[in-house]
Amino acid sequence: RKEVEQDPGPFNVPEGATVAFNCTYSNSASQSFFWYRQDCRKEPKLLMSVYSSGNEDGRFTAQLNRASQYISLLIRDSKLSDSATYLCVVNKMTGRRALTFGSGTRLQVQP
Amino acid sequence: AAGVIQSPRHLIKEKRETATLKCYPIPRHDTVYWYQQGPGQDPQFLISFYEKMQSDKGSIPDRFSAQQFSDYHSELNMSSLELGDSALYFCASSTNAGTSQETQYFGPGTRLLVL
Repeated sequence: RKEVEQDPGPFNVPEGATVAFNCTYSNSASQSFFWYRQDCRKEPKLLMSVYSSGNEDGRFTAQLNRASQYISLLIRDSKLSDSATYLCVVNKMTGRRALTFGSGTRLQVQP
Repeated sequence: AAGVIQSPRHLIKEKRETATLKCYPIPRHDTVYWYQQGPGQDPQFLISFYEKMQSDKGSIPDRFSAQQFSDYHSELNMSSLELGDSALYFCASSTNAGTSQETQYFGPGTRLLVL
């Protein structure tokens, strides 16, 4: 079982739709949480960090539930340019500080 | 803003050859991470350096080695290349390693093809 689990999708949604991605992590020592987006054959780019209180950045809202070890990303008013793979990523503050990636959820926004 | 620089961007090698990948972190970043992403896979951590010392080791084969230099750039040396080494190799840099403020920023990657 992977340490970070995501639904691979693809999620095919029309422009303007609201879409939500979920992610679960198994290591309770995980301390930092992120959503990265990755376009085909490109590097992962930080979309947003995820805080316990939840946080919003424009059309994007991230939530963290430490008790359930669950992270979510909500995208409102989807744009064609949102089409990408969204990677749920966790990091432990102690020991290994490398990022652990989920396999990603693919989003395709259609006109 | 300056980003992480990686070179070369593309590399083609034959089996059993060697390759050296270079990474130049964002200015004032003191920590470098190397990741390998195979086709259809998520990035897997290889090795990291903090202040020129190896800080952690992941699934890096013994055939690979790496170091971080005094100017904080890092090199990943790969020997006896195998077909399975064909992948995207990303370097990421950060500062405030080990704190809640740490965020890793990725370079554009080196695409290695072993024939």
